[in-house]
Amino acid sequence: QSVLTQPPSASGTPGQRVTISCSGSSSNIGSNYVYWYQQLPGTAPKLLIYRNNQRPSGVPDRFSGSKSGTSASLAISGLRSEDEADYYCAAWDDSLSGHWVFGGGTKLTVL
Amino acid sequence: QVQLQESGPGLVKPSETLSLTCTVSGGSVSSGSYYWSWIRQPPGKGLEWIGYIYYSGSTNYNPSLKSRVTISVDTSKNQFSLKLSSVTAADTAVYYCARNRIVIAVAGDMDVWGKGTTVTVSS
Repeated sequence: QSVLTQPPSASGTPGQRVTISCSGSSSNIGSNYVYWYQQLPGTAPKLLIYRNNQRPSGVPDRFSGSKSGTSASLAISGLRSEDEADYYCAAWDDSLSGHWVFGGGTKLTVL
Repeated sequence: QVQLQESGPGLVKPSETLSLTCTVSGGSVSSGSYYWSWIRQPPGKGLEWIGYIYYSGSTNYNPSLKSRVTISVDTSKNQFSLKLSSVTAADTAVYYCARNRIVIAVAGDMDVWGKGTTVTVSS
């Protein structure tokens, strides 16, 4: 049972816009930044969004992040086949001396 | 360009101690701008943060694993290490090391990851 809640799956057709939600609490998303990681099959996670809505260099602007209260979302527009991957949200949790928490991950399928 | 590489035994017996090392190249583990984290991923499951260390040796661990985890740093070798004691089959996972940026004195994003190493706990 992950501390942050994500839908286990999402799907879309090429060119579509999809969103993935991430729900937390006041001790994590409600008071800290949200981060998103993309994990392509058989590879290590890659930082996709940091500090709620910032993209690292090299990440296409098709990817965007937002946060409101204790929830966050990742949006992918102009969906492409290479976007098929697992997506994880993460946030620092202030409880118990502080620790990182992750969502359970969302498997994105491009139909 | 900073790179991280995990190394260690791929098979550990139940009740024994899992030991892994992460070697940092292209950068320094002594940089005051980063924490150095361990994260794991059981087969077919999600990510779980294990803990991090600062170059000074200060640590922070996942409360659920704290009693069994020790993370250490060797600045002379530019490495940091993970020890997880009393392992069971539930500790079977891909183990990743990652660089954790520090943002206003708080842990920020994990911006560089190793490729991961698979550890199986079995007799």
